[in-house]
Order: sequence, then C-alpha cells, then structure tokens
Amino acid sequence: NAGVTQTPKFRVLKTGQSMTLLCAQDMNHEYMYWYRQDPGMGLRLIHYSVGEGTTAKGEVPDGYNVSRLKKQNFLLGLESAAPSQTSVYFCASSAFTARNSPLHFGNGTRLTVT
Amino acid sequence: DQQVKQNSPSLSVQEGRISILNCDYTNSMFDYFLWYKKYPAEGPTFLISISSIKDKNEDGRFTVFLNKSAKHLSLHIVPSQPGDSAVYFCAADHYGGSQGNLIFGKGTKLSVKP
Repeated sequence: NAGVTQTPKFRVLKTGQSMTLLCAQDMNHEYMYWYRQDPGMGLRLIHYSVGEGTTAKGEVPDGYNVSRLKKQNFLLGLESAAPSQTSVYFCASSAFTARNSPLHFGNGTRLTVT
Repeated sequence: DQQVKQNSPSLSVQEGRISILNCDYTNSMFDYFLWYKKYPAEGPTFLISISSIKDKNEDGRFTVFLNKSAKHLSLHIVPSQPGDSAVYFCAADHYGGSQGNLIFGKGTKLSVKP
C-alpha cells in the first residue's frame, strides 16, 4: 500500500517559471491537503479539498492554485514561481476532517526557486 | 501571531528516561489537540490526540496531558527510546473552524541518546 505519493521529490525553478506538484493517494480518502514547511516554522495549510471537484483556501493560498479532478489526485500549481515559494511541500489525505481522522502525509517535495 | 507555540526548539534525553515536550496555545476556541512526529526526509505521522473534554490520553509509551486553564499541553514519552528521535509537532483545531486548517507549532526536535 503506497499511501500518499508526491512527485517530484526535488525541483529547482527560476523565478517566473511554472510547475505542478502531483499528489496521489490510494486510500480512497475524501479529504486532501497541501501544506508548506519553511525552516523554523510549523506546517501551514495552502489549499485543501473535501472531495472530488472541490477546493478551498487555507492559511497561505496566494500564488498557488489547486485542482481535484479525480478523488485520488490533488494537484498544486505555481503559475509564476517566486523565491518566497522556496519550501518543502507536503501533501496529506484523511478519511474525514483533520480532527476526526489522522492525516496521512507524503514524503514531501523540496522546491527551490532561484 | 503564533496561536500554537512550542518554545523549546530541541530536547535531549537519555535512553530509558522520560521525555516531556511542551506546547502552549493562545486561542481559547481550540478544543482538539494532536501530536505528529516527523523523521528526516519523511512526512509527519500522527501520534496521539486529545479532546478538550479530557485532561489525559494515553497510548502505550505516549501520554498527552491537557491543562485548559493554563492553555498548555504536554507529551510524555516513557521510557524514551533512540527510535523516538524525531521532530514533534503540536497541532490544534477548533470546532467550526476551517475543515482542514490544523494550526501547527514550529516543532521540537527530540534526540534520545543511547
């Protein structure tokens, strides 16, 4: 059972470039999330989804877009990357809300924007 | 303004002894608290949680204590093992809040020495 898989694991972008991070889960979870973790900071929620076809903004959504076209996939897009978006990005999924069921995290994508 | 604070960035403990990780919160609306553990190059994993209607929850070697009047919770690990060496994140939620938006602390890095 793979759980939550994130691709790619590493990426370097130049300012202004775009990219998409892919998250896939095989647990049939309804809820999916994208977090970022910066040095010395806790995890901060970027966007989340409560089911296929739905998305919602989290704590730090600016500069990102997301899509949940299929239940098992949650895509995070950066249209015009900025150095401030250098971070480690974690995708997570849960069967129910984050307080009622554990979040299952992927192993992260380390993104550097130069 | 940080709503969930883990004021100790690191903690070092001898194998077999007790590890106590602390977490303070400022938002009196928080009514559910969770601890996640993170190893390097991996995503966080759920450890234990507690509802505000309780003051203690225990799971094997891990016990979480909640002091609502002090807005303080702590995670006790007894006995500590080298495999417990990881970063521990405290997280909080409040009923009626954004469904995905757990508020995480910055984490405490625990080192358990053999």
